[in-house]
Amino acid sequence: ETGVTQSPTHLIKTRGQQVTLRCSSQSGHNTVSWYQQALGQGPQFIFQYYREEENGRGNFPPRFSGLQFPNYSSELNVNALELDDSALYLCASSFQRGQGGYTFGSGTRLTVV
Amino acid sequence: AQSVSQHNHHVILSEAASLELGCNYSYGGTVNLFWYVQYPGQHLQLLLKYFSGDPLVKGIKGFEAEFIKSKFSFNLRKPSVQWSDTAEYFCAVNVLSGTYKYIFGTGTRLKVLA
Repeated sequence: ETGVTQSPTHLIKTRGQQVTLRCSSQSGHNTVSWYQQALGQGPQFIFQYYREEENGRGNFPPRFSGLQFPNYSSELNVNALELDDSALYLCASSFQRGQGGYTFGSGTRLTVV
Repeated sequence: AQSVSQHNHHVILSEAASLELGCNYSYGGTVNLFWYVQYPGQHLQLLLKYFSGDPLVKGIKGFEAEFIKSKFSFNLRKPSVQWSDTAEYFCAVNVLSGTYKYIFGTGTRLKVLA
């Protein structure tokens, strides 16, 4: 079975720009969650998508938005980038909203300059 | 608010030493509990999980964890560490309502000296 793949692996953006990160979920999984992991911190929950609908959101502003597609792949969009958005962004997929646990991707390292 | 605390931020051990990493959570309802490991340059990998039943759970690579409900704790243990266990370890709680989001601790960076 394939795991969770994320692209790109690394990205450098300028403050104020917009960015789109992509995630292909593991085969058979219908739930995707996104996490932000700042340096030296544990991952922080951004939001979850279940069957193409947002199914919960963490304490992140509206400029963080997402999509889930019919094949259950997902995008994370961040508008008006700020320096503090520099972090590792993790995608995790699961079956049925993550009750049984998640499979994580390797992440996208975003640097905002 | 729900939170997860990992008391040890950095741990240095010699090979063959015993390991115990602390994890406490604050949430009064039903949770699932997890330990993940992140080797340098790699993604988060599941070490073990607790859903229900026997509070002593065994995971991969000789790790085990004990759930003590009265103490809201889920400590990770390994009797004898190896150099290859050098990694960062994260405790996570899955709150079983609504979103089933994970709440992670801040992580413990383990260095094992050969």
